[in-house]
Amino acid sequence: DAGITQSPRYKITETGRQVTLMCHQTWSHSYMFWYRQDLGHGLRLIYYSAAADITDKGEVSDGYVVSRSKTENFPLTLESATRSQTSVYFCASKEWLNTGELFFGEGSRLTVL
Amino acid sequence: QKEVEQDPGPLSVPEGAIVSLNCTYSNSAFQYFMWYRQYSRKGPELLMYTYSSGNKEDGRFTAQVDKSSKYISLFIRDSQPSDSATYLCAMSADTNAGKSTFGDGTTLTVKP
Repeated sequence: DAGITQSPRYKITETGRQVTLMCHQTWSHSYMFWYRQDLGHGLRLIYYSAAADITDKGEVSDGYVVSRSKTENFPLTLESATRSQTSVYFCASKEWLNTGELFFGEGSRLTVL
Repeated sequence: QKEVEQDPGPLSVPEGAIVSLNCTYSNSAFQYFMWYRQYSRKGPELLMYTYSSGNKEDGRFTAQVDKSSKYISLFIRDSQPSDSATYLCAMSADTNAGKSTFGDGTTLTVKP
């Protein structure tokens, strides 16, 4: 099916472990984003990408790494997970720079113990 | 201070009520104004999209943008239990590489 697929949907890990959240989109949208959603903070941008091999930091990028070797994939890696990274992570894409609509995945709920 | 401030809620209304959801912002460069609806344990979905100032209507939903006051609103007429969700305002500008800045969301419950 077309759309954005995130995996895993649920993940429990321990402090210090590396975790990778996967994001795959079937539309060939140029722009992709990773947001985290926490109570009291809404959606905050972690990283975004304008095209394959072009990425840039958002407002809360510390502790996260991204890559985008193919247009359709945009994995997010937590290099050494901390409890403060317990959150719901959303991947999103948009087709054009100058339009508003973001298409979101279903989210990945991460718990760091 | 956050660039986008959203009325926090939660909001609980009876079925059939008119609902008003509001956001203010500080960045005058914002040109694109969106409202997303997010059901529990789901990703946000675009509900309304407005470019620059003015009103936009889609069925029971009306989005208003007042750039002079840096204020946007979403009105829901004849609210239904199926409208129960969290509503997120979002804004973006040509100058910020297409990134959207979100409000914290307002959780709405419509009681039958």
